[in-house]
Amino acid sequence: QQQVKQSPQSLIVQKGGISIINCAYENTAFDYFPWYQQFPGKGPALLIAIRPDVSEKKEGRFTISFNKSAKQFSLHIMDSQPGDSATYFCAASNGGGGNKLTFGTGTQLKVEL
Amino acid sequence: DGGITQSPKYLFRKEGQNVTLSCEQNLNHDAMYWYRQDPGQGLRLIYYSQIVNDFQKGDIAEGYSVSREKKESFPLTVTSAQKNPTAFYLCASRQAGALETQYFGPGTRLLVL
Repeated sequence: QQQVKQSPQSLIVQKGGISIINCAYENTAFDYFPWYQQFPGKGPALLIAIRPDVSEKKEGRFTISFNKSAKQFSLHIMDSQPGDSATYFCAASNGGGGNKLTFGTGTQLKVEL
Repeated sequence: DGGITQSPKYLFRKEGQNVTLSCEQNLNHDAMYWYRQDPGQGLRLIYYSQIVNDFQKGDIAEGYSVSREKKESFPLTVTSAQKNPTAFYLCASRQAGALETQYFGPGTRLLVL
């Protein structure tokens, strides 16, 4: 049972544009929602994370929007750059469940010049 | 230099052979995790350990075994019972605390000869 659904699978954005990746979850016990960035052949690196008590969190060009009632959250990358080309994973965890992360299937982002 | 190290970077397994992947962290983190990554499937949890000498199965533990004899080490053995071991294996660790995030190592790519 896939508990975190991520879309789109792949995304092409022009330099300077906005990249938007969406995730939806089913388990209402989830209480922590991180986004990871992964370059080919490397381990994922934490990008930004949000808790369900806030609706938005911004760090530089990266923003998470969170809709608790809809059980959805999204990553927005403003002013996308070629260096942002990577695979992005959303995830969710339940603090009472060993903080096990359930990952989405990933979005391959390509930022073109 | 603090961080998570995984070795080897590439590992080749022959049919019927057990192989062990190393994961070491010097972050003094309490919890450690093993994930398997396959193309298009995101990361799936194999095993996790919240304290020394204790570990729990994740979603896809069949064909794998682990030990946690030291806080800084969490080796993963891929046994001959794992019929499809070719994948990218990622180790992560986390400090105790309700919403502390997981930090990932660089990964080991396992290939079957």
